[in-house]
Amino acid sequence: ELKVEQNPLFLSMQEGKNYTIYCNYSTTSDRLYWYRQDPGKSLESLFVLLSNGAVKQEGRLMASLDTKARLSTLHITAAVHDLSATYFCAVDRSGNEKLTFGTGTRLTIIP
Amino acid sequence: DAGVTQSPTHLIKTRGQQVTLRCSPKSGHDTVSWYQQALGQGPQFIFQYYEEEERQRGNFPDRFSGHQFPNYSSELNVNALLLGDSALYLCASSGLQGEIQETQYFGPGTRLLVL
Repeated sequence: ELKVEQNPLFLSMQEGKNYTIYCNYSTTSDRLYWYRQDPGKSLESLFVLLSNGAVKQEGRLMASLDTKARLSTLHITAAVHDLSATYFCAVDRSGNEKLTFGTGTRLTIIP
Repeated sequence: DAGVTQSPTHLIKTRGQQVTLRCSPKSGHDTVSWYQQALGQGPQFIFQYYEEEERQRGNFPDRFSGHQFPNYSSELNVNALLLGDSALYLCASSGLQGEIQETQYFGPGTRLLVL
């Protein structure tokens, strides 16, 4: 059974600081997604990572994938308040769009 | 392009009742997946529909059933509601762009409260 773990579960950080969220998964998988969710809202797609060594960046967020270690990271650079949200990684094991989600990381940016 | 739409936005039911949730996929998408997100947790895969057939299913009881229509829209039905069915129900659609499978786009969700 595929298991997806994220850490930390909660993260409170000051504006301007850098931090990394980690996503580990238990079995070989086809692709990995990162999503953002604001309170009471749906999921917003951030990144899709398809191959080992893939790196994608959008603004202050950068995601990477190491398939050998079964690890993805979401790095936040010079955090701003607007980045406060819950971030989920999700793994598609077989490329058939059945996603297994991590537990989520609730990120709070403090001015 | 309206994206993925869901109705209703909120719903209150009592234990034992039945509920139907609806989803219209993003234009050009033919695959619809349903997820249940309990408060404070990540979404869990319920099932997926393609070409009006259930293509794959997660670990949910038979009380959860669905349907896909020829226009690719979909319904999720839950019978004999339990308190534990209270959650945000998310619909996601996807499709091929050329030969490449597009990422899933999620709808705004239906928040179900079972009393």
